[in-house]
Amino acid sequence: GQQLNQSPQSMFIQEGEDVSMNCTSSSIFNTWLWYKQDPGEGPVLLIALYKAGELTSNGRLTAQFGITRKDSFLNISASIPSDVGIYFCAGYLGAQKLVFGQGTRLTINP
Amino acid sequence: DAEITQSPRHKITETGRQVTLACHQTWNHNNMFWYRQDLGHGLRLIHYSYGVQDTNKGEVSDGYSVSRSNTEDLPLTLESAASSQTSVYFCASSPGTGVTGELFFGEGSRLTVL
Repeated sequence: GQQLNQSPQSMFIQEGEDVSMNCTSSSIFNTWLWYKQDPGEGPVLLIALYKAGELTSNGRLTAQFGITRKDSFLNISASIPSDVGIYFCAGYLGAQKLVFGQGTRLTINP
Repeated sequence: DAEITQSPRHKITETGRQVTLACHQTWNHNNMFWYRQDLGHGLRLIHYSYGVQDTNKGEVSDGYSVSRSNTEDLPLTLESAASSQTSVYFCASSPGTGVTGELFFGEGSRLTVL
């Protein structure tokens, strides 16, 4: 069954606002990944986190690997229209097997 | 450029028919995966393979099968399609250089079972 809880499920914001979403689990993960999916496309990797406590940025995106290794968050600063899409957290539980959260659908009003 | 391609991109079929979705990657990746995406469930793993002749069941494998006869291809077969298998299917691959390998996804195949 689902092992990653991602929230919120959807967000409706104004252009320019900051965005925050997170993933939690009862299991310990050794890697956290954040993906973005545009309509009609497959997910594309945004940020990868490999160590507990790690904070990594990719442009306006910042993600952190929780100290307990059971959670992670993704922040987007100063949102722009092309940020629209579905964001997925994912984590490796066992060798090579990636588990995904339910996704956060981001909608931006211009 | 190396890539991963899925076909068909869209398919409509009837209950009980056999359906095969193709996945082909040119990166020479060892690992290949099939996921299905449904509202409220995110991406769920159907089957995966770590190399030629290796296949493994994921969390939602019932009603699906895969075969890996070469490095490049992992076709997904629905032996007898059911309406519950209406979904968007994504194939992915990774180099398999450790548990942190990034997955590269295809563009998806939308299957409708009537």
